[in-house]
Amino acid sequence: DGGITQSPKYLFRKEGQNVTLSCEQNLNHDAMYWYRQDPGQGLRLIYYSQIVNDFQKGDIAEGYSVSREKKESFPLTVTSAQKNPTAFYLCASSMQVNQPQHFGDGTRLSIL
Amino acid sequence: GIQVEQSPPDLILQEGANSTLRCNFSDSVNNLQWFHQNPWGQLINLFYIPSGTKQNGRLSATTVATERYSLLYISSSQTTDSGVYFCAVEGDYKLSFGAGTTVTVRA
Repeated sequence: DGGITQSPKYLFRKEGQNVTLSCEQNLNHDAMYWYRQDPGQGLRLIYYSQIVNDFQKGDIAEGYSVSREKKESFPLTVTSAQKNPTAFYLCASSMQVNQPQHFGDGTRLSIL
Repeated sequence: GIQVEQSPPDLILQEGANSTLRCNFSDSVNNLQWFHQNPWGQLINLFYIPSGTKQNGRLSATTVATERYSLLYISSSQTTDSGVYFCAVEGDYKLSFGAGTTVTVRA
């Protein structure tokens, strides 16, 4: 089935540790996105990528890093510089920018 | 960035009732989407509607781009309609989300 797969569903991070969230899509979409959702709020854009080997900062990129080495993969690393990483992280993709975005099921990250 | 305001913030419905959710945005947009987030956090696409009217079963949506608002209609609501409804607009390569409308449908 075509879709967006995020893993893991739940992730726990120790203080000072970097963690990487996986996002894979088999929709042959060029554009991919990472969003953060805090309780009771809408989604905020962390990073986006319009095409392989290119990515841009969103509204809240500090403390995060990404790579886009393959069209189908857009991993997000939450670094130790992100002081409040506890949140729900959602990955999305679209055929191109300004086209409908489709979302994965998300990863819940918590601090131990 | 584009500001997105949704109203009402909360809505409680009796099963079978109809309702209207509103989304106002501050600038012209290339894309507008309505999503439903279920209790497990899954974000489901409802409509891609930068302008005009669309219908999908008991749901329909209308966007008046020139007046910078969109409406989502839920008819004959069911308990499975409960969740948070988000409006998101795209002006410059990114979706800006509203804070959502939390809908609770009671049996």
